[in-house]
Amino acid sequence: GENVEQHPSTLSVQEGDSAVIKCTYSDSASNYFPWYKQELGKGPQLIIDIRSNVGEKKDQRIAVTLNKTAKHFSLHITETQPEDSAVYFCAASDQTGANNLFFGTGTRLTVIP
Amino acid sequence: DSGVTQTPKHLITATGQRVTLRCSPRSGDLSVYWYQQSLDQGLQFLIQYYNGEERAKGNILERFSAQQFPDLHSELNLSSLELGDSALYFCASSVEASGNGEQYFGPGTRLTVT
Repeated sequence: GENVEQHPSTLSVQEGDSAVIKCTYSDSASNYFPWYKQELGKGPQLIIDIRSNVGEKKDQRIAVTLNKTAKHFSLHITETQPEDSAVYFCAASDQTGANNLFFGTGTRLTVIP
Repeated sequence: DSGVTQTPKHLITATGQRVTLRCSPRSGDLSVYWYQQSLDQGLQFLIQYYNGEERAKGNILERFSAQQFPDLHSELNLSSLELGDSALYFCASSVEASGNGEQYFGPGTRLTVT
């Protein structure tokens, strides 16, 4: 099955700086890559996703890039704010005909005011 | 708020017991997924239902089972509970059964087995 690796496990940045989280996946047939933000005591919240026919997608301060050849994708957060502090998970879809997500191990982002 | 609801929020029970977790998907979503989140295993896919039918199975133990009812709500049954079953259990829903539909997660049920 799909194996997703995520780095770094923790990341601290100063408010206003950028944050980058990277993921790699193993199944070249995967073609859907969502990112989730999980705040303490809450469920994962979908913040952005990308499909394999697109190399980059942007939504305000958040962007995701995908390199299918290298099998890696990244989350970029610009102008970070304290409310961006959370655990971020990348995921890749299962391609067995279902829609099951395989998650990375998470990155705890701390934005220092 | 994702629109996915889960009850109960917290559950404390003893080893060997059986519990039922409940999930109501977003309005219009036909697919329900169950995930387990533990410190050592991360977020793991357990099982998926689409419009009442089991669609896919992941790392779900034989002691666990699920079903989706005609009104599309789903229940996850955990039996013969062990200490290691303590975790957060999330359900997610999507419109589609496949084709990479967006999944929206509920707030989770925290299960503690003592």
